[in-house]
Amino acid sequence: DAGVTQSPTHLIKTRGQQVTLRCSPKSGHDTVSWYQQALGQGPQFIFQYYEEEERQRGNFPDRFSGHQFPNYSSELNVNALLLGDSALYLCASSFMAGVYEQYFGPGTRLTVT
Amino acid sequence: DAKTTQPPSMDCAEGRAANLPCNHSTISGNEYVYWYRQIHSQGPQYIIHGLKNNETNEMASLIITEDRKSSTLILPHATLRDTAVYYCIVRVAPSGGSYIPTFGRGTSLIVHP
Repeated sequence: DAGVTQSPTHLIKTRGQQVTLRCSPKSGHDTVSWYQQALGQGPQFIFQYYEEEERQRGNFPDRFSGHQFPNYSSELNVNALLLGDSALYLCASSFMAGVYEQYFGPGTRLTVT
Repeated sequence: DAKTTQPPSMDCAEGRAANLPCNHSTISGNEYVYWYRQIHSQGPQYIIHGLKNNETNEMASLIITEDRKSSTLILPHATLRDTAVYYCIVRVAPSGGSYIPTFGRGTSLIVHP
């Protein structure tokens, strides 16, 4: 049983560019949440998708957007990249919009230069 | 969600019990206590959660005080592989509901030989 998978593993972008990160949830899960983790900090909640809709959102600007597909996979898009967007981006899946424990993927390391 | 306070670091000898405390004095009656850990360069891993009763699984035990204002995660026989950052978070888990989980900086546990 595959766990949560994310792609790509690493990514280097230039300031002002746009980036798309991808996540496939654990089999049987229908909810995907995205987190940003800066070096030395705990993960910060970006938003959660359930039934193809954004259900909850953390304190992140509109440059951060997402999408969930009918197969429950999800994308995180970040526009107009800033140097401060450099971080590890984590995807977590769960069942029923967060009622149950979340399973995290290995993350995508984004570096903005 | 209620905020949590954890010591920044702890150490433990291999084979001994590791007791990681968490203070959540503002916890509400419907908020659960969740523990995750993050081994270097990996995504967080769910460990255990509880509401008011003590819980035990194959990984750890969770002891919640009667007033629910604090809890302790116990790793009964710590191994070197338990070296990680441990996060205590509290969140509401209503049926089909949503939440914004807040991870702090966690406790960096170092298990030494």
